[in-house]
Amino acid sequence: SQQGEEDPQALSIQEGENATMNCSYKTSINNLQWYRQNSGRGLVHLILIRSNEREKHSGRLRVTLDTSKKSSSLLITASRAADTASYFCATDAGFQKLVFGTGTRLLVSP
Amino acid sequence: SAVISQKPSRDICQRGTSLTIQCQVDSQVTMMFWYRQQPGQSLTLIATANQGSEATYESGFVIDKFPISRPNLTFSTLTVSNMSPEDSSIYLCSVVGVAGELFFGEGSRLTVL
Repeated sequence: SQQGEEDPQALSIQEGENATMNCSYKTSINNLQWYRQNSGRGLVHLILIRSNEREKHSGRLRVTLDTSKKSSSLLITASRAADTASYFCATDAGFQKLVFGTGTRLLVSP
Repeated sequence: SAVISQKPSRDICQRGTSLTIQCQVDSQVTMMFWYRQQPGQSLTLIATANQGSEATYESGFVIDKFPISRPNLTFSTLTVSNMSPEDSSIYLCSVVGVAGELFFGEGSRLTVL
């Protein structure tokens, strides 16, 4: 399977703490993207990092990419209860077809 | 960004029947993608729908089971045919943004009894 692996599968933290999720993939990529999904609804795009970039920030989000290790991480700082969701990485290997990872379920408790 | 509307948002169907899911985009797009998300799982691409040509199906998905129409640049339908309980999933349509990101509809949650 081309699908990426994410870890942890589930993460439970308190509000104000940081949450880190990791993604590993198998093939060469053009870019890697992170998405959030609330309660089985549609996915929302969070951030895209290109293969020639190593780090990217967007608000409380920080994404790193290590193409030599075929891995990426998503850091959410100062988490809030509203961050509770499933988070998926997705890799673009060409033709705009994304392959999604297995996902991390994040629970942020007040 | 793109706004995508999907109908129905959810449905409960009987085994052996078929259901057509509609996807409407608020702008013209070349490619539309249909994904399936089985319970507790990640997303799997079913097919790419291009206007004016046959859809391109991914390995494991066939046209007889998942026929797709793409009559114009803002609309597509996915039919799940001869349904079985294994087809119970969320079906999502999506389009590509200018930076290569995907915009998704809210999904159609299908339960087959």
